[in-house]
Amino acid sequence: NAGVMQNPRHLVRRRGQEARLRCSPMKGHSHVYWYRQLPEEGLKFMVYLQKENIIDESGMPKERFSAEFPKEGPSILRIQQVVRGDSAAYFCASSPFNDAEQYFGPGTRLTVT
Amino acid sequence: KNEVEQSPQNLTAQEGEFITINCSYSVGISALHWLQQHPGGGIVSLFMLSSGKKKHGRLIATINIQEKHSSLHITASHPRDSAVYICAVGTSGSRLTFGEGTQLTVNP
Repeated sequence: NAGVMQNPRHLVRRRGQEARLRCSPMKGHSHVYWYRQLPEEGLKFMVYLQKENIIDESGMPKERFSAEFPKEGPSILRIQQVVRGDSAAYFCASSPFNDAEQYFGPGTRLTVT
Repeated sequence: KNEVEQSPQNLTAQEGEFITINCSYSVGISALHWLQQHPGGGIVSLFMLSSGKKKHGRLIATINIQEKHSSLHITASHPRDSAVYICAVGTSGSRLTFGEGTQLTVNP
């Protein structure tokens, strides 16, 4: 049973470009969480999704950021018009149901130049 | 004040020492998680607990719900235990709120 997969592992974007980060949850997991870790800072919650639904997006910046978890395929975190402050490690986690143990992916390191 | 406070922020130990990392929280929780972040950045879930005590190998986690406090203990520490240990609490809707982490270095 493969773990949580994230790709790409490293992503370099120039200011103003779009970044798309993908997360494939563990098999059988329908709950996905995105977290961000800014340089030298702790992890922060961004968004919680179930299949086709956003459950809690209270940690998402109001502009430029969006997330989806379609019926088929991975969850995607999309950042439009990236700025240098978006440079961070973005982690995805999945769980089989609400309030269960979360399993983390390896993260995507986004660098904005 | 952060909702989740960890201490110490940094900890250096000699191989074989008994280690304790503390976590205090100020919100109502559904569960408390201990995570390990390796130097390469990957995150591993060590424990999820809502009461009492759990043990896995040389690791022990305890929680006191009334005092809103948890501890992570490592017995017979080893250099390969060197990592950042993160306390996180699950609140409504499963979102996790994280402490700042404890950087542990175990010297041979």
